[in-house]
Amino acid sequence: DVKVTQSSRYLVKRTGEKVFLECVQDMDHENMFWYRQDPGLGLRLIYFSYDVKMKEKGDIPEGYSVSREKKERFSLILESASTNQTSMYLCASSLGTGRNTEAFFGQGTRLTVV
Amino acid sequence: DQQVKQNSPSLSVQEGRISILNCDYTNSMFDYFLWYKKYPAEGPTFLISISSIKDKNEDGRFTVFLNKSAKHLSLHIVPSQPGDSAVYFCAASDRARNGNQFYFGTGTSLTVIP
Repeated sequence: DVKVTQSSRYLVKRTGEKVFLECVQDMDHENMFWYRQDPGLGLRLIYFSYDVKMKEKGDIPEGYSVSREKKERFSLILESASTNQTSMYLCASSLGTGRNTEAFFGQGTRLTVV
Repeated sequence: DQQVKQNSPSLSVQEGRISILNCDYTNSMFDYFLWYKKYPAEGPTFLISISSIKDKNEDGRFTVFLNKSAKHLSLHIVPSQPGDSAVYFCAASDRARNGNQFYFGTGTSLTVIP
């Protein structure tokens, strides 16, 4: 079974803090993704990576950065947390380009910025 | 600009009847389509997919139909069960694109009434 594990289920952080969300997958997937889910807006892509040290901006990258130093790990960084970054954050992974494959999701991290 | 749209935010269906969830897309390069199911406080789980070379794919109670000319897909659940109550997201992908990015709709909340 593919497993995508996010380091925290729930986080509460203060405005201005630097926040790290960690994600690890165990199936040697090339692609990894960070989404946020907000009511009425669905899943919006923040950043994705198709290889180690490679990253591409998604639809809403502002206020976020990412790091992929190893194939299995993809980190999302909130440089200076703000209240509008309160959301459910979802990490996902998938096999590479051209394949019939789905994205596998982690359990999500509910982040509250106060 | 939303490339994948789910125009019905919610749907209620009696247990045992058919549930039909709809999804429209705008990008003609999409060639792989997926449906995900999401319970509160959990990550989305993959349900069923369809490649653009097909117009129907069936898996048990779940069937996905694809109408490429109308850029429309639908998910049929029959018979519906109370455990099917969840938010359903459709997603689309252009598999030739680097990173195999998935574009998600805003979701439809299905309630199956016992």
